[in-house]
Amino acid sequence: DAKTTQPTSMDCAEGRAANLPCNHSTISGNEYVYWYRQIHSQGPQYIIHGLKNNETNEMASLIITEDRKSSTLILPHATLRDTAVYYCIVRGMNRDDKIIFGKGTRLHILP
Amino acid sequence: GAVVSQHPSRVICKSGTSVKIECRSLDFQATTMFWYRQFPKQSLMLMATSNEGSKATYEQGVEKDKFLINHASLTLSTLTVTSAHPEDSSFYICSAPDGHSNQPQHFGDGTRLSIL
Repeated sequence: DAKTTQPTSMDCAEGRAANLPCNHSTISGNEYVYWYRQIHSQGPQYIIHGLKNNETNEMASLIITEDRKSSTLILPHATLRDTAVYYCIVRGMNRDDKIIFGKGTRLHILP
Repeated sequence: GAVVSQHPSRVICKSGTSVKIECRSLDFQATTMFWYRQFPKQSLMLMATSNEGSKATYEQGVEKDKFLINHASLTLSTLTVTSAHPEDSSFYICSAPDGHSNQPQHFGDGTRLSIL
């Protein structure tokens, strides 16, 4: 079973920041938080990952709480192309570890 | 960057046909690959782990005789849906870990299988 819980859906106005929460209260010390997204009829796309420090890349920022039991993915300036299902995943760093997907959050960017 | 390629992207065939889907890692080697199935409006469900040089490991409830997996080389895994029926119609996605990348796995763009 997935180790994360996310809201089923969210709306965000175009140009605004989209903040997607994720709870992972049973995360282990050696497990990372990963975010992927899936645009309709495509394979999942990697966004960002982190262990305990906040992370930022060209796509998004990841804020992880100090107790590591939850995190927030931030898309700073959402566009219509960011409409997708966003998956928060907890996983170890071993190369061959499985990725188990939860139900994700369906993000609608509104024009 | 590293890419995982799936072929075909879409296939439509008659009930009873066997269908083979290929998953290739294009610029890296993958001793392990993963196969997922996704029904409309649902999440990806892990079906099996494909292991180069040994048998695949199937998740609980997945019929190994129905979904044959062969990891023929370090860059190719195939999933064969044998004697496909309409209930096997789904979106099949593969992934492969790249040990030289910070991304845990690269995903293919999926194969949409429609059984008539």
